[in-house]
Parts: sequence; C-alpha cells; structure tokens
Amino acid sequence: QQQVKQSPQSLIVQKGGISIINCAYENTAFDYFPWYQQFPGKGPALLIAIRPDVSEKKEGRFTISFNKSAKQFSLHIMDSQPGDSATYFCAASIGVDKLIFGTGTRLQVFP
Amino acid sequence: EAGVVQSPRYKIIEKKQPVAFWCNPISGHNTLYWYLQNLGQGPELLIRYENEEAVDDSQLPKDRFSAERLKGVDSTLKIQPAELGDSAVYLCASSFSGTVNTEAFFGQGTRLTVV
Repeated sequence: QQQVKQSPQSLIVQKGGISIINCAYENTAFDYFPWYQQFPGKGPALLIAIRPDVSEKKEGRFTISFNKSAKQFSLHIMDSQPGDSATYFCAASIGVDKLIFGTGTRLQVFP
Repeated sequence: EAGVVQSPRYKIIEKKQPVAFWCNPISGHNTLYWYLQNLGQGPELLIRYENEEAVDDSQLPKDRFSAERLKGVDSTLKIQPAELGDSAVYLCASSFSGTVNTEAFFGQGTRLTVV
C-alpha cells in the first residue's frame, strides 16, 4: 500500500514534443505529490508539486494532472527541450515526512 | 541562499571500514532527512529528524548505521562496518515543518563505493 508505481521506465521524445510520465498510488492518506528532476551526479531537485485539493497545477512548461478517484497523477512537459533530458521521479507522502518515490523515468529529448 | 550541503561528494572505502557523511541543511529548516538511493532507483528514507529528535528511524539498519543531529542543525550519518552492499548515494534533505505547503529540498548526495 506504500508503493508508488511509475511508468514508463524510459522515454524518448523529439524536441518540441510532449513528454508524459504517469504514477499511481494506493494509500489514500497521501496528500502531497511532488515531482523531482535528477541529473547525473546531482541530487533530486523539486520540479513541481500538487496537493489533492486541485486537479491540475501548471508551472511554465510543466503540468501535473491529478485524478484523486483513480489514484493517479502525471507530469506533462510541453515543448520538451534537450535540456530536459534527465531522470524524473514522482513521489507521494503524508505531508513531506516520508516521501515514497517511484522507480524513475529516464527522459531523453533529441533535437 | 545556500541549499542543502553535503560532504564529501565521493568516498571510496574498503569493506569493514567505518565511514561518515555530513549534512548542513537549509538555514531555518527544522526537519532533516537521510535518504538512500541505489543505482537506478528512487530514494528511500533512512531517518527523519525533527530538530534534535529522530522521529522516524524505522528504515535505518541499526546494527551498522547510526546518525546524530546535535544542536538541531548539522547531521552526521555513520556506517560501521561498511559492507559491499552499502555502495549507493546517500542523500540529505531538509524542510521547514511550520507551514502547510512545506517542501523538501535535497543535497547533491555522497556517492559511497565499498570495495
């Protein structure tokens, strides 16, 4: 019940395209759903986060869509750029006390 | 403002040797976390501190791992003795628990290689 399932494991997108990464959770007590971006040799950097009182949050080219009834949330990267090439992790927690991370999605954006 | 600072960035040790990692959280952040990240996987929580108190250490292998956060600021994570399977990245994160919309921020991590 504590797992967060993330897909796909890897994703190849052409520059300018839309990247979509999906996550699903089981624990209905989770109330915080962040996405982290990680470049090789670096720590995870908070990209965008959502709480279950809204169904969508947009920051620049990054959008989280949240479906509480389906217990799913997704990250959409619009106009994907080569600089977006990184590993993306979804996570879920009660507050921020114990983030449960997905297994990660390696995104490659080709020019 | 400086982010979460960890040192060293890299450490190579022989098995059965001790090793220690240091973390300085973001100024004002009262909550500090140590996470373990194995290659190709997401981070997993080892221990969480609220000020000086370890409030969640259920995932910390206490036979060989220990941590402390004296004075409620910096923290040290220690492994003694290290095993080959401990090779991983050890991440420190911090947050401020005084607001509803708090966020957790990670340091760059310490990559440990046990040979």
